[in-house]
Amino acid sequence: AQRVTQPEKLLSVFKGAPVELKCNYSYSGSPELFWYVQYSRQRLQLLLRHISRESIKGFTADLNKGETSFHLKKPFAQEEDSAMYYCALKSQTSGGSYIPTFGRGTSLIVHP
Amino acid sequence: EAQVTQNPRYLITVTGKKLTVTCSQNMNHEYMSWYRQDPGLGLRQIYYSMNVEVTDKGDVPEGYKVSRKEKRNFPLILESPSPNQTSLYFCASSRGAAGRYNEQFFGPGTRLTVL
Repeated sequence: AQRVTQPEKLLSVFKGAPVELKCNYSYSGSPELFWYVQYSRQRLQLLLRHISRESIKGFTADLNKGETSFHLKKPFAQEEDSAMYYCALKSQTSGGSYIPTFGRGTSLIVHP
Repeated sequence: EAQVTQNPRYLITVTGKKLTVTCSQNMNHEYMSWYRQDPGLGLRQIYYSMNVEVTDKGDVPEGYKVSRKEKRNFPLILESPSPNQTSLYFCASSRGAAGRYNEQFFGPGTRLTVL
């Protein structure tokens, strides 16, 4: 069965420091991965997706199939990056559809 | 404005009193789902729906029911709520029933307390 693991519940850094939020997955098929972000008192929203290979708000994530990872990185953290981050994997059902599985989330706190 | 709406946003109820949380989307999305968010456990899927009249269980369906009679609505029903269903609930929708690359759009959340 598919699984998404975010090993850190909480990540605390200072402004300007690099940040890496870890995400590991377990899936026998070809993975499609996403990062979602939830700022305080706001709804979850998509941050970036693997297929787009884009940088959003300075964040990037690279799929490493060898290590089954999709870590989220930013070279210089900002206070406004403080939020809850969820890694999600789309996996295929027996019916051919794709269903998302979310990790438990990592709370990022960026101190001034 | 394209969005997912949920009602009510906050609800305090008592054990055993049936309740319904509504979810509606105006984006003509085929896929809709319900999640609960609990500290330390993250997001867990309760039920999902690929399209009208097509629903399936997620990871934690016990104690919940759903229906999908119309494309835009996907209500979550708690027939006999219990305190362990106290949680923050999110509805989400996505374009395409089999969309591998499609992102999910989330509602604002419903904070439910069962006494």
